[in-house]
Amino acid sequence: DVKVTQSSRYLVKRTGEKVFLECVQDMDHENMFWYRQDPGLGLRLIYFSYDVKMKEKGDIPEGYSVSREKKERFSLILESASTNQTSMYLCASSLRTSWSYNEQFFGPGTRLTVL
Amino acid sequence: DQQVKQNSPSLSVQEGRISILNCDYTNSMFDYFLWYKKYPAEGPTFLISISSIKDKNEDGRFTVFLNKSAKHLSLHIVPSQPGDSAVYFCAASAGGGSQGNLIFGKGTKLSVKP
Repeated sequence: DVKVTQSSRYLVKRTGEKVFLECVQDMDHENMFWYRQDPGLGLRLIYFSYDVKMKEKGDIPEGYSVSREKKERFSLILESASTNQTSMYLCASSLRTSWSYNEQFFGPGTRLTVL
Repeated sequence: DQQVKQNSPSLSVQEGRISILNCDYTNSMFDYFLWYKKYPAEGPTFLISISSIKDKNEDGRFTVFLNKSAKHLSLHIVPSQPGDSAVYFCAASAGGGSQGNLIFGKGTKLSVKP
């Protein structure tokens, strides 16, 4: 089974702190994604990466950055956390395919609270 | 501009009855559709999918129907069980290739009452 793990299930940080969220997948997937989930807004894509050291902005990249130094690891960085970044953060991975079956496998999520 | 829309934020159904969750899309380039189920404090898990070359896909109690002309798909759960209570996300993919992006709807919260 594909396993996607996230470094923390719950995290509480203070405004202005630098926050690192780590994600690791064990299935040699090329693609990795970071989403945030908020009530009534669904899953919104922050950043994604389709290869080591490659990154692309998603729909809401402002206030975030990412790092992919190894294929299995994708980090989300909040440079200076703000209260409006309080959310559930979800990491996902998928195979690079030549067809449309792009099933993504999700981690358990990190509930981040910024005070 | 929402490309994938789930217009019902919530749905309540009695145990044993049918649950029908709806999803509309606007992009005619979408050629693969997926449904994910999410429990609170957990990540979404894949439930069922359908290719645009089909109009129906069935897996046990779950059936997805696709109406391409109406750009509409629906997920049927029969019979509904209390354990089906979760948020359901519809997602669409516009072609394979390197990026594998999915476009998600906002979700529908299903409550199945005993």
